[in-house]
Amino acid sequence: GNSVTQMEGPVTLSEEAFLTINCTYTATGYPSLFWYVQYPGEGLQLLLKATKADDKGSNKGFEATYRKETTSFHLEKGSVQVSDSAVYFCALIGLQGFQKLVFGTGTRLLVSP
Amino acid sequence: KAGVTQTPRYLIKTRGQQVTLSCSPISGHRSVSWYQQTPGQGLQFLFEYFSETQRNKGNFPGRFSGRQFSNSRSEMNVSTLELGDSALYLCASSNDRVTDTQYFGPGTRLTVL
Repeated sequence: GNSVTQMEGPVTLSEEAFLTINCTYTATGYPSLFWYVQYPGEGLQLLLKATKADDKGSNKGFEATYRKETTSFHLEKGSVQVSDSAVYFCALIGLQGFQKLVFGTGTRLLVSP
Repeated sequence: KAGVTQTPRYLIKTRGQQVTLSCSPISGHRSVSWYQQTPGQGLQFLFEYFSETQRNKGNFPGRFSGRQFSNSRSEMNVSTLELGDSALYLCASSNDRVTDTQYFGPGTRLTVL
């Protein structure tokens, strides 16, 4: 079945540091890929998405590129802020999955001033 | 547009009781999905409804059920509550295409004592 693997956290960075959160997936065909973010006490917010190979999703300084050859969708940001502290989830929807999102385990990011 | 709303936001029940959670999707969205989030199991798909029909179901016991009304609002019900049902229950709505974004509500925090 479809699955998503993302790096264990927490990831601890200083403000203005470079961020990478690794995400790889297993799925047949070309799934749609997503990054969601969850702030304390809140639901999930879509951060970015990509629906086909080589697509780059971007939002609020975050970027991720859909790499079919490495089945990856790594999240990057050039300069993190304290306000980016949250839990980040990588997810996919398979071709036959209707609206069933399959999530990774989440990676907690802690940014200190 | 108003976002996805969920009621109630917090709920405390005792073992053996039943509970009903409500979700109002974004106006115009006909697909509603439910997810359970726990520290141990992460985010897991419960079921998805479209036009009052359940199209997809996750691996949860029959105690978990749901329905969708003609106005796309959805409810989920959990009967005979167990301690392990304590979780954040998230609802998401979307248009029907697989590539469409699912927008999440703030969740209902259920505590079973």
